[in-house]
Amino acid sequence: ETGVTQSPTHLIKTRGQQVTLRCSSQSGHNTVSWYQQALGQGPQFIFQYYREEENGRGNFPPRFSGLQFPNYSSELNVNALELDDSALYLCASSRDVLYEQYFGPGTRLTVT
Amino acid sequence: AQTVTQSQPEMSVQEAETVTLSCTYDTSENNYYLFWYKQPPSRQMILVIRQEAYKQQNATENRFSVNFQKAAKSFSLKISDSQLGDTAMYFCAFMKAMNYGGSQGNLIFGKGTKLSVKP
Repeated sequence: ETGVTQSPTHLIKTRGQQVTLRCSSQSGHNTVSWYQQALGQGPQFIFQYYREEENGRGNFPPRFSGLQFPNYSSELNVNALELDDSALYLCASSRDVLYEQYFGPGTRLTVT
Repeated sequence: AQTVTQSQPEMSVQEAETVTLSCTYDTSENNYYLFWYKQPPSRQMILVIRQEAYKQQNATENRFSVNFQKAAKSFSLKISDSQLGDTAMYFCAFMKAMNYGGSQGNLIFGKGTKLSVKP
């Protein structure tokens, strides 16, 4: 059984640019959640996708957007990057909305 | 709104000894789940243990056990026979359970406790 994978591993972008992060969910999982983890902090919930529909959103601006595809993989898009967007972005998948979430290795985004 | 507090930023323990990590949370919900996650330096978040609020029995997973005190809103993690591989950040997390009309399974994390296991 393949676990949750994320790409790329690391990314460096310039302020104002746009970025797309990708996540492949674990086999049999239909729910994907995205989290932002700033250095030295716990992860903060960005949004969740359940069967291709957004199923909740945390306190993040609209320039953070996402998609979930029919195979339940997902993308996180961030427009107009700001320095404070520098963080580890974690994707987690689960069998359903209220089941335990299994995390990918994360994408380290640096905005300069 | 729910909050999770981990009051111990750092802890250390000798190999083979027992250590307890503290977590308190604030919620007005009656049905919820609590989790402990481990994040080693390699950074992948790993689920350690899960507790359902409606269950009075404390969850255990091999060397890991919890002390769940619902009235006190406390959820501590005990690691027995500590091993060098237990060195990691440990995060306590809360998830609200199903409400009628829909649910959102987002995790609310504490700030973490950095555990160092010394040989």
